Amino acid sequence: GAGVSQSPRYKVAKRGQDVALRCDPISGHVSLFWYQQALGQGPEFLTYFQNEAQLDKSGLPSDRFFAERPEGSVSTLKIQRTQQEDSAVYLCASSQTGGAGRETQYFGPGTRLLVL
Amino acid sequence: SQQGEEDPQALSIQEGENATMNCSYKTSINNLQWYRQNSGRGLVHLILIRSNEREKHSGRLRVTLDTSKKSSSLLITASRAADTASYFCATDARNQGGKLIFGQGTELSVKP
Repeated sequence: GAGVSQSPRYKVAKRGQDVALRCDPISGHVSLFWYQQALGQGPEFLTYFQNEAQLDKSGLPSDRFFAERPEGSVSTLKIQRTQQEDSAVYLCASSQTGGAGRETQYFGPGTRLLVL
Repeated sequence: SQQGEEDPQALSIQEGENATMNCSYKTSINNLQWYRQNSGRGLVHLILIRSNEREKHSGRLRVTLDTSKKSSSLLITASRAADTASYFCATDARNQGGKLIFGQGTELSVKP
């Protein structure tokens, strides 16, 4: 079946520009996670949704970062007034059930963001 | 900051040899997961081991978990050139809602 998809795959933005990154989770998956991966590092947690509810946004680095999942399926991560330090790969993952994570997270291919 | 630490950071072996990667973490966990990432690609789930399990096998992969030492190891037997990738351990810590905390990864190179 279809996996997690993300778009765009690559995004080049000028400093100060707003960007929107989209994630389509696996159909029926309740939980959706966003991670940020800097070059040469492991992914770092940004935020988590269970259906349409954003239950944890403790990893968002600043108030320029905003995520939503209004209908409990597709999610968008928006970054306002991008800065060079925002350059990274943004990974989306979904899992079957919500709650205390006994389920595998399936990752999308990521969006590589480069801020010039 | 990331919870997991992986060792070694880089590993280079010949095809056919075994590769062992280690992961240490800091807090109580629900489970620990291992992922592979090829250059420029997304993460591929390899294996999940729960906190009440000590060892798990999947094909050429063997994972162990020692919760008393807060450590895990991934063994890849009879390695192939196609196993060349970065390998990450990720912990699902208790009372954290399911988010994964990743280590920095081990970069494995398997030479033909």
